Amino acid sequence: DMKVTQMPRYLIKRMGENVLLECGQDMSHETMYWYRQDPGLGLQLIYISYDVDSNSEGDIPKGYRVSRKKREHFSLILDSAKTNQTSVYFCASSSSGTGGALEQYFGPGTRLTVL
Amino acid sequence: GEKVEQHESTLSVREGDSAVINCTYTDTASSYFPWYKQEAGKSLHFVIDIRSNVDRKQSQRLIVLLDKKAKRFSLHITATQPEDSAIYFCAASGGSNAKLTFGKGTKLSVKS
Repeated sequence: DMKVTQMPRYLIKRMGENVLLECGQDMSHETMYWYRQDPGLGLQLIYISYDVDSNSEGDIPKGYRVSRKKREHFSLILDSAKTNQTSVYFCASSSSGTGGALEQYFGPGTRLTVL
Repeated sequence: GEKVEQHESTLSVREGDSAVINCTYTDTASSYFPWYKQEAGKSLHFVIDIRSNVDRKQSQRLIVLLDKKAKRFSLHITATQPEDSAIYFCAASGGSNAKLTFGKGTKLSVKS
């Protein structure tokens, strides 16, 4: 069963606290992504990971870092969260092909509120 | 970098009519154009894509057209049904880095 999971689904933190969002996939996909979705802005790519310990910044990496120590897990870390990081965060994964981008499979999302 | 503009932020059609959502992109190197659907309160899932080696692709009631000269692509949903109501995102990707740039989304409402 092809699945991307995210934990937790909902999270409330205070400004300045550290945040860990976790993502898992059971498809052995090489490539994984973290996006945030804000009303009216669509999806913005935070980080992309091409495989274990092979991570690359996306369009809005400031204030975030990632960790990928196993192919099936990809973590997003917010050190000292800020109120403007309140958002819905989506993880996605895709297989890698010689032709470039392929279909992405999305997790259910994590709704993060930073007070 | 690539910019994708989705022209309709909202679209309302009657059940059975066709819906068309238009997107434009800026990077001539882009070669992969997928569409994703997000139902209310849910995550995104892939619906259809097109690559730059063709200009038309159909999957059941979904048709994607690509005009590379105009850097424009569109999603046509024929014979719309209430379950087609959702936000649709277009995206574009060029090169081999697997990154997608998304449009801001079109909220489609199908009224019965």
